[in-house]
Amino acid sequence: EPEVTQTPSHQVTQMGQEVILRCVPISNHLYFYWYRQILGQKVEFLVSFYNNEISEKSEIFDDQFSVERPDGSNFTLKIRSTKLEDSAMYFCAIEGGGDPSGRAMNEQFFGPGTRLTVL
Amino acid sequence: LAKTTQPISMDSYEGQEVNITCSHNNIATNDYITWYQQFPSQGPRFIIQGYKTKVTNEVASLFIPADRKSSTLSLPRVSLSDTAVYYCLVVAGGYNKLIFGAGTRLAVHP
Repeated sequence: EPEVTQTPSHQVTQMGQEVILRCVPISNHLYFYWYRQILGQKVEFLVSFYNNEISEKSEIFDDQFSVERPDGSNFTLKIRSTKLEDSAMYFCAIEGGGDPSGRAMNEQFFGPGTRLTVL
Repeated sequence: LAKTTQPISMDSYEGQEVNITCSHNNIATNDYITWYQQFPSQGPRFIIQGYKTKVTNEVASLFIPADRKSSTLSLPRVSLSDTAVYYCLVVAGGYNKLIFGAGTRLAVHP
């Protein structure tokens, strides 16, 4: 099973500050996703990223958000000016690449998440 | 993608079989039914996927009737560690975002 790590595990920041959340897939993958989950609520899609470009984004993913793959391995989510309502768990997910045998349709592998707390 | 409806919560006891039913009345021909599991403070984890009839793996079974408008996830002999939220999703082919609903919060009691 593909492995995904995320750093930091917990980030505390002041409102208005910039944060960068990192995702590191252990092996080569094609598609990357960011999701968030506000405490007690459902998992929400933010953005998908393929071939160094955003392929789809949700209404949540406004101008304060950006994603990039700066060095071909790390996949980052940046929030330029955090708001209180950005407090949530942020999950990176990967799909595709590697050995496809035995893999289900649209099967995504999620990282452990970064808990972002905005004060 | 088809909207899914599943119970908000369920309770069970260790050793029992748990069946969680999901309805997806507007499922399309190309859609697959997929279930994810999420433990507290962890990311969702894929459990099982099916298109029709029955699928079984080492974790669960998935029953899908001929009309595919519903599906049932079956967890045999649950243990305390199966306490989690279970999500029923309908996914299309290709690389697409996953759309999660509220899921079913399963509590397994000793």
